[in-house]
Amino acid sequence: EAGVAQSPRYKIIEKRQSVAFWCNPISGHATLYWYQQILGQGPKLLIQFQNNGVVDDSQLPKDRFSAERLKGVDSTLKIQPAKLEDSAVYLCASSTSGRGEQYFGPGTRLTVT
Amino acid sequence: GENVEQHPSTLSVQEGDSAVIKCTYSDSASNYFPWYKQELGKGPQLIIDIRSNVGEKKDQRIAVTLNKTAKHFSLHITETQPEDSAVYFCAAVLEVGKLTFGQGTILTVHP
Repeated sequence: EAGVAQSPRYKIIEKRQSVAFWCNPISGHATLYWYQQILGQGPKLLIQFQNNGVVDDSQLPKDRFSAERLKGVDSTLKIQPAKLEDSAVYLCASSTSGRGEQYFGPGTRLTVT
Repeated sequence: GENVEQHPSTLSVQEGDSAVIKCTYSDSASNYFPWYKQELGKGPQLIIDIRSNVGEKKDQRIAVTLNKTAKHFSLHITETQPEDSAVYFCAAVLEVGKLTFGQGTILTVHP
């Protein structure tokens, strides 16, 4: 079975620019998560989707971050405008349901200069 | 919300030795405790987990123990091998699907 796919794998942008990340979850997985992993720290949940609805976005900085999962499959996470402190690895994960094991993608490493 | 503390931040052992990583959590209502292994350039991968109604679980060279009274849980790796070298994260789940991770432990196994 194919795993969680993410692109791009690496991205370098200047502060105040915008950037978007893409995630394709494991086929059939209803729940999708976006995490932010700052160097030397554990992943922090940004947003959780159940199909195409948001379950939890309490830790998403909504003034600059947005995410969507329009058809309940792929998802995009956008940052606009980016700040230096947004430099991190952005991980996407999926599970069959909110109670299931979460499978992580390889992540997108973002560097903001 | 939940808060998870993980120690040590780095751990260096000789091949064949045992390694122990410890975590504490803050909310006694947390009921699920997974452990993840993250290799360089990859996402975290679940290696073992334990639920709050179980005190210990073992899978080959890996075991996890849970002390609900003290609100701490530990990962034990026996007969370590160089391929065990990675970053290990503990996590706790208070709300369905919401993982709160520890800060991670960099494990290095020297041949």
